[in-house]
Amino acid sequence: KNEVEQSPQNLTAQEGEFITINCSYSVGISALHWLQQHPGGGIVSLFMLSSGKKKHGRLIATINIQEKHSSLHITASHPRDSAVYICAVTNYNTDKLIFGTGTRLQVFP
Amino acid sequence: NAGVTQTPKFRILKIGQSMTLQCTQDMNHNYMYWYRQDPGMGLKLIYYSVGAGITDKGEVPNGYNVSRSTTEDFPLRLELAAPSQTSVYFCASSYWGETQYFGPGTRLLVL
Repeated sequence: KNEVEQSPQNLTAQEGEFITINCSYSVGISALHWLQQHPGGGIVSLFMLSSGKKKHGRLIATINIQEKHSSLHITASHPRDSAVYICAVTNYNTDKLIFGTGTRLQVFP
Repeated sequence: NAGVTQTPKFRILKIGQSMTLQCTQDMNHNYMYWYRQDPGMGLKLIYYSVGAGITDKGEVPNGYNVSRSTTEDFPLRLELAAPSQTSVYFCASSYWGETQYFGPGTRLLVL
């Protein structure tokens, strides 16, 4: 079993829809990261959080430390949001990142 | 700032050849990392460095070597290329263990 699990693996949506991507982890962490990988391959860090909730534009990330679960929400989705969204955690003991396999999102006009 | 740059963007190697993937960052970050990304798999840490002169193995170091002689540069060396090393390689840097900034990646094909 992977230490970081994401769901769903693939997601399609119509423009304007509210989107949720989930991440569960099984190790002790010091931080959780959400990353975006565009079709061209580049990876951008969206959020780094260790508690509560963060918001940036139409993106919201939440984390529940007790349940070892995080969600990434996209409000009013747009075709330019189409990308792979990757959840990663910083292992508390090793300080290294452990990555999920990603959620491929396609938003259609 | 250019951020994290990687060269080359794409390379084809024959089995047994060697090459160096270059990575440079201009953000004065002390931590640098090399990852590989295989289809359908999460990124895996190959090597990392917490400062010039200091390197350590990650999850999948076999077949690779690194050096860190300056803060800016963190090259990754493949000595005897094998088909299993066909992958996309990403370099990243961060200030201590904070947000990581990724390079554009190097696509490597070993035939």
